[in-house]
Amino acid sequence: RKEVEQDPGPFNVPEGATVAFNCTYSNSASQSFFWYRQDCRKEPKLLMSVYSSGNEDGRFTAQLNRASQYISLLIRDSKLSDSATYLCVVNLFHGSGNTGKLIFGQGTTLQVKP
Amino acid sequence: DVKVTQSSRYLVKRTGEKVFLECVQDMDHENMFWYRQDPGLGLRLIYFSYDVKMKEKGDIPEGYSVSREKKERFSLILESASTNQTSMYLCASSPGGLGYEQYFGPGTRLTVT
Repeated sequence: RKEVEQDPGPFNVPEGATVAFNCTYSNSASQSFFWYRQDCRKEPKLLMSVYSSGNEDGRFTAQLNRASQYISLLIRDSKLSDSATYLCVVNLFHGSGNTGKLIFGQGTTLQVKP
Repeated sequence: DVKVTQSSRYLVKRTGEKVFLECVQDMDHENMFWYRQDPGLGLRLIYFSYDVKMKEKGDIPEGYSVSREKKERFSLILESASTNQTSMYLCASSPGGLGYEQYFGPGTRLTVT
């Protein structure tokens, strides 16, 4: 089982739509969670951290469900410029504790169409 | 803003050449990382460093080495480049401590012929 799993998509949605991505992680001891955005042929960029209480940044809402070990990202009122790959990221724990490493999911591709 | 720079955006090398990829960050971050990214395989960690002169192997260190002589600079070395090392190489840095978000450089697309 992969440590971080995402549906690769692509998700094709019209402008203005609401779209949600989910991600599951395998290590229940993980403490840090992030969503990154990666445009084609560019580097990943931090979109937002994910907090236990859930958090919102404009049109973007992130949720964490520790019991089920999944993270979600909701995008409201999609824009053409939201077209990108969204990477779910979790920190890695071993038996001895936090390794400091981050594990990146393979990403979910979003295409927003006019 | 955090700035991570990499020495080249595109690089073409021949099989057997020694290749140096340089990464510099300007935010006084303790941690630095080297990844490669390939279609269908995602980001894979090659090496990382928590401090000057310190290095740890990641998931795919074979065929690579690293050097961190100064806090702001982390170099990736391909001792003898091979065609299966053709890839996008991404450097990242993060603040001291564990599990913090990482900031990436623009990447170096390396082609080994």
